[in-house]
Amino acid sequence: QVHLVQSGAEVRQPGSSVTVSCKTSGGTFNTNAISWVRQAPGQGLEWMGGTIPVFGTTNYAQKFQDRLTITADDSTNTAYLELSNLGSDDTAIYYCARVTGPLESWGQGTPVTVSS
Amino acid sequence: EIVMTQSPATLSVSPGERVTLSCRASESISSNLAWYQQKPDQAPRLLIFGASSRATGIPARFSGSGSGTEFTLTISSLQSEDFAVYYCQQYYNWPPLTFGGGTKVEIK
Repeated sequence: QVHLVQSGAEVRQPGSSVTVSCKTSGGTFNTNAISWVRQAPGQGLEWMGGTIPVFGTTNYAQKFQDRLTITADDSTNTAYLELSNLGSDDTAIYYCARVTGPLESWGQGTPVTVSS
Repeated sequence: EIVMTQSPATLSVSPGERVTLSCRASESISSNLAWYQQKPDQAPRLLIFGASSRATGIPARFSGSGSGTEFTLTISSLQSEDFAVYYCQQYYNWPPLTFGGGTKVEIK
């Protein structure tokens, strides 16, 4: 069973960037596909993008193409999400999840608040 | 992009009742459909994958059916811990992975 632990809550000003980490344990990290999903307050789930470290591939949802970077560090079994040029509508809980077709295992979520 | 549509948005149910939730895909996704349960202040949890296979540890009262564009999640006898929001998600043609808007199952 793969276990995912995310970094803690963040508060950012509009126009800045945020990085959220997702450390995995169990399984083989570089064969795991990791996706990032966010959930705005009171809203549904929105897929942002994902990476498959063993293939070195990364995919992004079109709406985030210009300001989202997803990376993975094999040496620490950690995936990262960096979102730039934050706006108030980026206030949300950000989840990482292991993808085996469905999203099999999820991190606990990282709240990100964008406020001046 | 495949659009997933769930109905109803909210379902008011009494404990012990049978519950049926619907999910429709904008085009055929074969059986590449998952269902998730999300309780307040918790991450989503995988319930069903492959349209009808229960994930590890999921009680037998949860069952999924369907293929192509029409899918159903059934809870045979609703327990108190089952009041939550349920999401469907396709993984047939991605990126992007797409979710339905969710169905909230609340106490009647």
